[in-house]
Amino acid sequence: DAGITQSPRHKVTETGTPVTLRCHQTENHRYMYWYRQDPGHGLRLIHYSYGVKDTDKGEVSDGYSVSRSKTEDFLLTLESATSSQTSVYFCAITGLADNEQFFGPGTRLTVL
Amino acid sequence: EDQVTQSPEALRLQEGESSSLNCSYTVSGLRGLFWYRQDPGKGPEFLFTLYSAGEEKEKERLKATLTKKESFLHITAPKPEDSATYLCAVQASGGANSKLTFGKGITLSVRP
Repeated sequence: DAGITQSPRHKVTETGTPVTLRCHQTENHRYMYWYRQDPGHGLRLIHYSYGVKDTDKGEVSDGYSVSRSKTEDFLLTLESATSSQTSVYFCAITGLADNEQFFGPGTRLTVL
Repeated sequence: EDQVTQSPEALRLQEGESSSLNCSYTVSGLRGLFWYRQDPGKGPEFLFTLYSAGEEKEKERLKATLTKKESFLHITAPKPEDSATYLCAVQASGGANSKLTFGKGITLSVRP
């Protein structure tokens, strides 16, 4: 257990509304990541963070923004949700070996 | 561009019937290859990291091996509780820390 929690675990929202997903870790890891997982695709990186206030884009970052004001929290925001953002979102951290990533339980988001 | 292809997409085995899952990859210098297990509705669970061709790692009924072009996850005498989706990912050397490229996964079903 890497001490990662995600909230909410499930959310249904409407097109055009803003949505924020939270990832919280308890072990002071420097690197944190947001992925989405969709049928027919592997896990795809949205954004990642390498420290407080330090973030960068992944391969599918359009329509998403992130913030990290504290080491333990990494927020993913959909400014105006679209149906194409219906997905399962996973947060991950890099473990002590600085290679392996450990994943949270996921958030299932449905945009109607 | 780093690529990971997993085959077959799905595999059905009888309990005790050993088999192998394949992960073929292309990467601009391999830093590490990772195997994960994912149960329905849960986040990926880390299994193994392999770093260089010829390396092998074992855990219970699972053994992961690595060559310069592919990795195999061998499952010996599987049990129904081994049913899950198995994900493979690669990490390139020289890039931003710890970004992983995932395959689409192999869904394994083991019948009692």
